[in-house]
Amino acid sequence: DAGVIQSPRHEVTEMGQEVTLRCKPISGHDYLFWYRQTMMRGLELLIYFNNNVPIDDSGMPEDRFSAKMPNASFSTLKIQPSEPRDSAVYFCASSSTSGGATDTQYFGPGTRLTVL
Amino acid sequence: QKEVEQNSGPLSVPEGAIASLNCTYSDRGSQSFFWYRQYSGKSPELIMSIYSNGDKEDGRFTAQLNKASQYVSLLIRDSQPSDSATYLCAVNKNTDKLIFGTGTRLQVFP
Repeated sequence: DAGVIQSPRHEVTEMGQEVTLRCKPISGHDYLFWYRQTMMRGLELLIYFNNNVPIDDSGMPEDRFSAKMPNASFSTLKIQPSEPRDSAVYFCASSSTSGGATDTQYFGPGTRLTVL
Repeated sequence: QKEVEQNSGPLSVPEGAIASLNCTYSDRGSQSFFWYRQYSGKSPELIMSIYSNGDKEDGRFTAQLNKASQYVSLLIRDSQPSDSATYLCAVNKNTDKLIFGTGTRLQVFP
């Protein structure tokens, strides 16, 4: 299995630009999570989906952030407009309930976002 | 009060020693507890999970849970330089999501 795939791995953009991060979960996994990690705040859950449906978006910092999951194999996290304080590493993770629990989350390699 | 608290470290131990990493959580309703390891510049990976009070051993790793004290720990025996990483404690409150601590940086020196 290829694991969770994220693209791009690095993104440098200017303030005010739109940024789109992409994620392909592990095949067969029915949960997908988007996290943001910074030195100051650690790993924060932004939003998660179950069977492509957003379940909890309470971690999305503001309306500039949006996420979609149009099918079981693809999700996007969009920031529009981007700001320097959005600079962080964004991780996508997926998990499966096939074992009766959603505990083990498998993380992608992350996207390091820098907003100038 | 943070939901999951860890000492940021660094915790420095000599090679071959036991490293002890600690985590406290605030919600007594928490059901599942996890330790993830994150190497610098890499993504978190699960190394241990524990659900019941007591100890759970896996190779050189032992997770300890005390729900009454709202405390979970990770012991690494015979620490190796390759164990140098940040260790993240995560807690599940019987929902679908995990709450992570900010991590403890472990340094194992030869």
